[in-house]
Amino acid sequence: GQNIDQPTEMTATEGAIVQINCTYQTSGFNGLFWYQQHAGEAPTFLSYNVLDGLEEKGRFSSFLSRSKGYSYLLLKELQMKDSASYLCAAMDSNYQLIWGAGTKLIIKP
Amino acid sequence: GAVVSQHPSWVICKSGTSVKIECRSLDFQATTMFWYRQFPKQSLMLMATSNEGSKATYEQGVEKDKFLINHASLTLSTLTVTSAHPEDSSFYICSAQGLAENNEQFFGPGTRLTVL
Repeated sequence: GQNIDQPTEMTATEGAIVQINCTYQTSGFNGLFWYQQHAGEAPTFLSYNVLDGLEEKGRFSSFLSRSKGYSYLLLKELQMKDSASYLCAAMDSNYQLIWGAGTKLIIKP
Repeated sequence: GAVVSQHPSWVICKSGTSVKIECRSLDFQATTMFWYRQFPKQSLMLMATSNEGSKATYEQGVEKDKFLINHASLTLSTLTVTSAHPEDSSFYICSAQGLAENNEQFFGPGTRLTVL
């Protein structure tokens, strides 16, 4: 079956670095997405990886290892506004997104 | 670019009534639109996938006669919740695909439905 695993909740300190891991199993693979979702709002796109390696975009970076079925989202210089849920989603061979349950990130001062 | 709107943003209705939610891609043509439902503290649940001009494909467990989806044009899809009940109260989110090479889905802001 198809499955996405990511931690339910993480806590970090303002100004620090946090890494949110995601493992996936899908029928075929057409890329790995990370979305940010604030409470009561729709998800917003953060990153997309289809090749192995690290993609850096400002304070956020995303890594993919296709052979391991593994990705992580790295957030640097954490700000209070980064408190949100982070959703990992893998795109299968039918171009359908398989969603993880999301990781709730709590930032403390 | 790649803006998706939803209307209404929130709606409160009585049990037994029907509610229509519109999803529009404002600056691109969406070949595929997706409808999701999200209950509090849970992840997105895909309800159905619709392609312009054809019938929607519903996920297992989603009643197609209760959740009517129409994708009449490349910029508009509608979801009608028929004979709504309190258990249908949820956050309904649409997304549209068709612009990005990576098949990225662009999300609407969501519609919060409360059925009394």
